[in-house]
Amino acid sequence: EVQLVESGGGLVQPGGSLRLSCAASGFIFSSYSMSWVRQAPGKGLEWVASIKEDGSEKYYVDSVKGRFTISRDNVKNSLYLQMNSLRAEDTAVYYCVRGSMLIGPWGQGTLVTVSS
Amino acid sequence: DIVMTQSPDSLAVSLGERATINCRTSQSVLYSSNNKNHLAWYQQKPGQPPKLLIYWASTRESGVPDRFSGSGSGTDFTLTISSLQAEDVAVYYCQQYYSSPQLTFGGGTKVEIK
Repeated sequence: EVQLVESGGGLVQPGGSLRLSCAASGFIFSSYSMSWVRQAPGKGLEWVASIKEDGSEKYYVDSVKGRFTISRDNVKNSLYLQMNSLRAEDTAVYYCVRGSMLIGPWGQGTLVTVSS
Repeated sequence: DIVMTQSPDSLAVSLGERATINCRTSQSVLYSSNNKNHLAWYQQKPGQPPKLLIYWASTRESGVPDRFSGSGSGTDFTLTISSLQAEDVAVYYCQQYYSSPQLTFGGGTKVEIK
């Protein structure tokens, strides 16, 4: 069974940093591109970033370019999202998802709250 | 960026009745090289992450009940629930992957029981 378990969310002040992690199991992690998608409280879905299977290419939504970095460790079967210079509008549940076209399954998500 | 516009924002349907959700894309998502529409539908039940329902605009994901169907081509698409069940209460999102990996989603349609 495919499992994606996110961690690392929490409360952070504006301008601060957080690193999200996603532990993957139940599939050959190195064979899949991976993505992060976020959902602000009570709002819709927004794609944040994707990374190719070998980590050679990374893609970001314009609003996070230069602030967020997606990475992966295919030995540890893990996906990461380093988030710097956080803003109030980054407050959301962040989902780790398999794929970069058709995306799924999804993890349960980790909540990031940016507030003073 | 491809902009996705869903309608309506919400709808209330009686049990056993049909629910219809529309999705319009700002440009065609029909890929000429494979003649497929790069359009998917997701279901998000309260307190849960989204789940893929339909891809290539009309192909049901494994395990999805056949009361769910997708149709349309180019820029206009429809998700139909032929006979609404209580467990179908959810928010439904369309998503284009034509410009993958730059993905965009519709704003969502909330389906409730009348």
